[in-house]
Amino acid sequence: LAKTTQPISMDSYEGQEVNITCSHNNIATNDYITWYQQFPSQGPRFIIQGYKTKVTNEVASLFIPADRKSSTLSLPRVSLSDTAVYYCLVVPMSGYNKLIFGAGTRLAVHP
Amino acid sequence: EAQVTQNPRYLITVTGKKLTVTCSQNMNHEYMSWYRQDPGLGLRQIYYSMNVEVTDKGDVPEGYKVSRKEKRNFPLILESPSPNQTSLYFCASSLGGYEKLFFGSGTQLSVL
Repeated sequence: LAKTTQPISMDSYEGQEVNITCSHNNIATNDYITWYQQFPSQGPRFIIQGYKTKVTNEVASLFIPADRKSSTLSLPRVSLSDTAVYYCLVVPMSGYNKLIFGAGTRLAVHP
Repeated sequence: EAQVTQNPRYLITVTGKKLTVTCSQNMNHEYMSWYRQDPGLGLRQIYYSMNVEVTDKGDVPEGYKVSRKEKRNFPLILESPSPNQTSLYFCASSLGGYEKLFFGSGTQLSVL
């Protein structure tokens, strides 16, 4: 299992773009990178998943460089409701078995 | 509505009194798993199941049991709860492969 490293916390202001970087130096060829968002006392919610280059959906973008040793979750123009914990996971293509969520990145968005 | 349902939402019990937290999904998912969440430690996986009758240990399985007799249900059993099992518990399910996980609303357990 590839271990991931993220900043413990970040602060931003409404309307700004937020980039959260995750390091996964030991990622395997068949691993996917997945991000989840969690609000207090709720279960995590899937945000985005990618394998390489760039993936974009209605909520976020995920940038993965060619060496895939890191990835960056980009949240455009954040609002107060984006205040949450964000988790980066490396998931094997062969399927889920053991998963390591880590402590995640606590994002605080200020008015 | 596609969902993962956990019950109960809150549970207060005493040391040594067996309890079961239920988890059910209505999406015909093959993969199900249990996590506990403690302040500052993120989510830690307790057990997971790849399919009916197939279960395996996660990172913190001590003191817990699971069973997967039906595809939709994956109960978490604490045979003799202790105070260090006081935590917020989440159940999750997935189609399998690397498909996204769907999480339940959580069960806040307090063991006195």
